[in-house]
Amino acid sequence: NAGVMQNPRHLVRRRGQEARLRCSPMKGHSHVYWYRQLPEEGLKFMVYLQKENIIDESGMPKERFSAEFPKEGPSILRIQQVVRGDSAAYFCASSPQSGLSGNTIYFGEGSWLTVV
Amino acid sequence: QKEVEQDPGPLSVPEGAIVSLNCTYSNSAFQYFMWYRQYSRKGPELLMYTYSSGNKEDGRFTAQVDKSSKYISLFIRDSQPSDSATYLCAMSDHDYKLSFGAGTTVTVRA
Repeated sequence: NAGVMQNPRHLVRRRGQEARLRCSPMKGHSHVYWYRQLPEEGLKFMVYLQKENIIDESGMPKERFSAEFPKEGPSILRIQQVVRGDSAAYFCASSPQSGLSGNTIYFGEGSWLTVV
Repeated sequence: QKEVEQDPGPLSVPEGAIVSLNCTYSNSAFQYFMWYRQYSRKGPELLMYTYSSGNKEDGRFTAQVDKSSKYISLFIRDSQPSDSATYLCAMSDHDYKLSFGAGTTVTVRA
């Protein structure tokens, strides 16, 4: 997990508020992925980004969720108008290249969102 | 049917025992197989990475992949209390999207 930095580690939001989760990839990695882990479930792919581009957002809920990876700064996962069902651990991962042939994806420590 | 099935356990073994974990999957296109270890409230840590079928050994860990049966295994020899964690299998085809099992919780008793 060394190198992929996520913050905040823990976040509490009231229903209807916004949650912003940040991720800085490992040094030299330009590919970022977000996964969500619901209680008692495995990690589920949400979105894949490169600098200034969303490559695949097929796992993102259609509403309230958005992600970006600007030219400068960390990747941001934004959840608007949070509901209790959004309570989960959100993991960011990064890799130096796209795809798994010859490289692997490394995960950060996660951001635990609790909606009250 | 889930794309990746993994027995959630929990699994409790005495120190020094062999821990045996496995996953089955339904997508025959999967060719990259990984095992991650996750401690409570922490991120997944990559343990083993295997391409296609076969065995791979790294210290006390052995990963096996049987693509014909769509079945993968992880063995931990000489288990230690520090091995107590949740173990996640993950797999993918040629791209970046990993499909995870739900994880097996393992406790190694001192």
